[in-house]
Amino acid sequence: DAGVIQSPRHEVTEMGQEVTLRCKPISGHDYLFWYRQTMMRGLELLIYFNNNVPIDDSGMPEDRFSAKMPNASFSTLKIQPSEPRDSAVYFCASTPTAGQPQHFGDGTRLSIL
Amino acid sequence: AQSVSQHNHHVILSEAASLELGCNYSYGGTVNLFWYVQYPGQHLQLLLKYFSGDPLVKGIKGFEAEFIKSKFSFNLRKPSVQWSDTAEYFCAVNPLGRNTGKLIFGQGTTLQVKP
Repeated sequence: DAGVIQSPRHEVTEMGQEVTLRCKPISGHDYLFWYRQTMMRGLELLIYFNNNVPIDDSGMPEDRFSAKMPNASFSTLKIQPSEPRDSAVYFCASTPTAGQPQHFGDGTRLSIL
Repeated sequence: AQSVSQHNHHVILSEAASLELGCNYSYGGTVNLFWYVQYPGQHLQLLLKYFSGDPLVKGIKGFEAEFIKSKFSFNLRKPSVQWSDTAEYFCAVNPLGRNTGKLIFGQGTTLQVKP
C-alpha cells in the first residue's frame, strides 16, 4: 500500500512568493494532519481535518497560512506571502480513526530565502 | 491543558548501554500512547503503541515501553542500544475522552549512540 505522499520534497523560494504544499493521505484514512518541524520549536500541529472538514486550526501561525481539503484524497497547505521564518520541514500525516497511530509522509523541506 | 513531557532532551550513550527515556503526560482520562522514532533526515515512524491490556508493550527493533497509570508515565526502554538507534524519539498521547484523532507530542529526545 502506498503511504502518505507529499510533494514537493524540497522547495526553495524567495520571500514574498506563494508556496503550496500537497498531501495525499492513505486511502480510507478519515483524519489528515499538517505539522511543522523546526529545530527551535520542535514538532507543531498546524491543523487537522476529519472527513475533509477542518477540526482544529489553532496551530496555524497566522493568516498567511491556509489549508484546504477539497476531497478525501488531497490536501494543500498554502503560505502567502512566505517569509524566511517559515523555513521548516512540513509533514502531513493521516490516520483511519481517532486514537489510531498516525502515518507520516516524507515531508517537504521548505527554504524561504 | 493537556501536555506531554519528555525528561531528557539529549542523551548520549555508548553501544550496548541500556536506554530509558522518560515520558509523562497530563490527562486524567483514558489515553492511547505512542512512541515514534525519527531517523536523521526521515519522517516519523511508529515504534510502539499502547491501547489497553498488558502495560508492558513491545515494539520494533527491541524497544519496549511500560505504561504506569498511577504515574501518568510511558517510559521507553531498550536493554542494549546500537549505533543505528541514533535518532530522535517522540512520545505522544491521544486523549480518547475527547474523541479526537489529535496526538499531543512531547518535545522529543535526541539519542546519540557512540560506536
